Amino acid sequence: ILNVEQSPQSLHVQEGDSTNFTCSFPSSNFYALHWYRWETAKSPEALFVMTLNGDEKKKGRISATLNTKEGYSYLYIKGSQPEDSATYLCASPKAGTALIFGKGTTLSVSS
Amino acid sequence: DGGITQSPKYLFRKEGQNVTLSCEQNLNHDAMYWYRQDPGQGLRLIYYSQIVNDFQKGDIAEGYSVSREKKESFPLTVTSAQKNPTAFYLCATRQVSTDTQYFGPGTRLTVL
Repeated sequence: ILNVEQSPQSLHVQEGDSTNFTCSFPSSNFYALHWYRWETAKSPEALFVMTLNGDEKKKGRISATLNTKEGYSYLYIKGSQPEDSATYLCASPKAGTALIFGKGTTLSVSS
Repeated sequence: DGGITQSPKYLFRKEGQNVTLSCEQNLNHDAMYWYRQDPGQGLRLIYYSQIVNDFQKGDIAEGYSVSREKKESFPLTVTSAQKNPTAFYLCATRQVSTDTQYFGPGTRLTVL
């Protein structure tokens, strides 16, 4: 079974702090790496789908990098805001289209 | 959300009863998925279907069954054989062009 690991499990920061989380995955037979944001009482929402080694994607204050050779991806949030509070999930597909998810990093931003 | 509906939002079941969770989509996506979430766990794949009349077991399919008779619908039946069915269940579809999954609002199942 493909193992996708995320760290830290949870994180608490102050408004305005920048932060980052890690997702690690097996580097062999890599297809893609997905990041999702899951806010309380809402459905998970896609942030990024990354496929190329060295890829960097950005969406507002959130960005992500990918290293497929060593099997990790970082998600960065610049100047965290309370509305960034959510669980951030990463996932990678095994053969076919089915995603294997990590357990997530829960971010809490206080004002 | 956004074209995927799951019903009911909350479901209570007595031990020994089968129960069916509904998932309907109007996104015209071929692939659909069922995940389960337990406290402290990530989303775990139960079943998925890449096309009508075809479906595949995920990592935790035991005690569950599905059907895919229509593109829009992918119901999940939790049978009495599922030993620990209390959980939050999420349905998703996949947009091929962006390789992105879209999720429904979920159903919380509680076995009494």
